[in-house]
Amino acid sequence: GAVVSQHPSWVICKSGTSVKIECRSLDFQATTMFWYRQFPKQSLMLMATSNEGSKATYEQGVEKDKFLINHASLTLSTLTVTSAHPEDSSFYICSEGANTNEQFFGPGTRLTVL
Amino acid sequence: AQKVTQAQTEISVVEKEDVTLDCVYETRDTTYYLFWYKQPPSGELVFLIRRNSFDEQNEISGRYSWNFQKSTSSFNFTITASQVVDSAVYFCALSEARRSQGNLIFGKGTKLSVKP
Repeated sequence: GAVVSQHPSWVICKSGTSVKIECRSLDFQATTMFWYRQFPKQSLMLMATSNEGSKATYEQGVEKDKFLINHASLTLSTLTVTSAHPEDSSFYICSEGANTNEQFFGPGTRLTVL
Repeated sequence: AQKVTQAQTEISVVEKEDVTLDCVYETRDTTYYLFWYKQPPSGELVFLIRRNSFDEQNEISGRYSWNFQKSTSSFNFTITASQVVDSAVYFCALSEARRSQGNLIFGKGTKLSVKP
């Protein structure tokens, strides 16, 4: 199956700063990537669908101006949490939608905002 | 509407016991896919199985087995002779074929603790 990497694996930042998380598809050209968020002891919730070369599609309730997604190439999608606040502290996981109904997940990025 | 329910929030067993994790799903689609993932403390999701809606055959993989019953919209997961290394959170997920992007809808997860 596809291999997906994320960087960084964990990050601690001050409130008000912006954090960029990278998601790379290492062995497959991914036109579609998904970004999920997982709060402690909770399930994964889809935040947005990242489409190569076009705007991301955000799920209801997710602020597109706060969570900026860029999918400029077939192997890289980035999620930028702008003006991060403590409530944005979460585990962010990306996945690569190689084909319908088959997804490969990255190892996740744990964000802590102080 | 699509939905995945894992009614068991936490389960604790002693090593070598068998344990079944329940998953009930809702979908209006006739074509869909069901998944189970394991999430150890490290956080990375480990793929366990994918089953499509047209294949109701039960599957066994080592100590793991899955029982898919469309009549009850359930896709239960059994671990036989559990081991401490099985301790993790297990997620059941659903993907509907009509959603061309293929994103997954996850249940809330079941935390399994296997004690020695």
